[in-house]
Amino acid sequence: GENVEQHPSTLSVQEGDSAVIKCTYSDSASNYFPWYKQELGKRPQLIIDIRSNVGEKKDQRIAVTLNKTAKHFSLHITETQPEDSAVYFCAAISTGTASKLTFGTGTRLQVTL
Amino acid sequence: SQTIHQWPATLVQPVGSPLSLECTVEGTSNPNLYWYRQAAGRGLQLLFYSVGIGQISSEVPQNLSASRPQDRQFILSSKKLLLSDSGFYLCAWSGTEKGPGELFFGEGSRLTVL
Repeated sequence: GENVEQHPSTLSVQEGDSAVIKCTYSDSASNYFPWYKQELGKRPQLIIDIRSNVGEKKDQRIAVTLNKTAKHFSLHITETQPEDSAVYFCAAISTGTASKLTFGTGTRLQVTL
Repeated sequence: SQTIHQWPATLVQPVGSPLSLECTVEGTSNPNLYWYRQAAGRGLQLLFYSVGIGQISSEVPQNLSASRPQDRQFILSSKKLLLSDSGFYLCAWSGTEKGPGELFFGEGSRLTVL
């Protein structure tokens, strides 16, 4: 099955700086890569996703890049703000039925003033 | 629009007691349904998923079970809880209205087993 690794596990940046979270996946047939943000005690929410037919996608201050050859994808947050503080999860979709997502272990991002 | 409801939101149960968590989805038909568990400070572990009524696939062997008695209802159960069952349980759905793989989570059920 799919295996997703995520780094770093914790990340602390100053407000206004950029943050980058990286993930690698094992199944070359995976074709959908979402990113979820989870605030403390709340459910994960989709913030951006990318499909295997594109290399980059941007939505305001967040962007995701995908390198299919190397089987890795990254989340980039620019001009970080305190409200960006949360746990971020990457995921990749496994082949087969039910569109099962395999999640990374999460990155706790702390944006300091 | 589609919505997902999950309950109860929190519960504290003694070791050996039964468990029932319920999840319903509205505004869609024939969704794929999932149960995930998140231990404190950890990632998301897929427990069960279902592609249709009565169809349940288990990802991790354990003392939990799942059932799908209706198209948009998904239930997580246990006959006897263990301490290690404590965690944050999340129901989720995906479907054809959105792209393949897009997953939408319920608000979660926080279970503490004492």
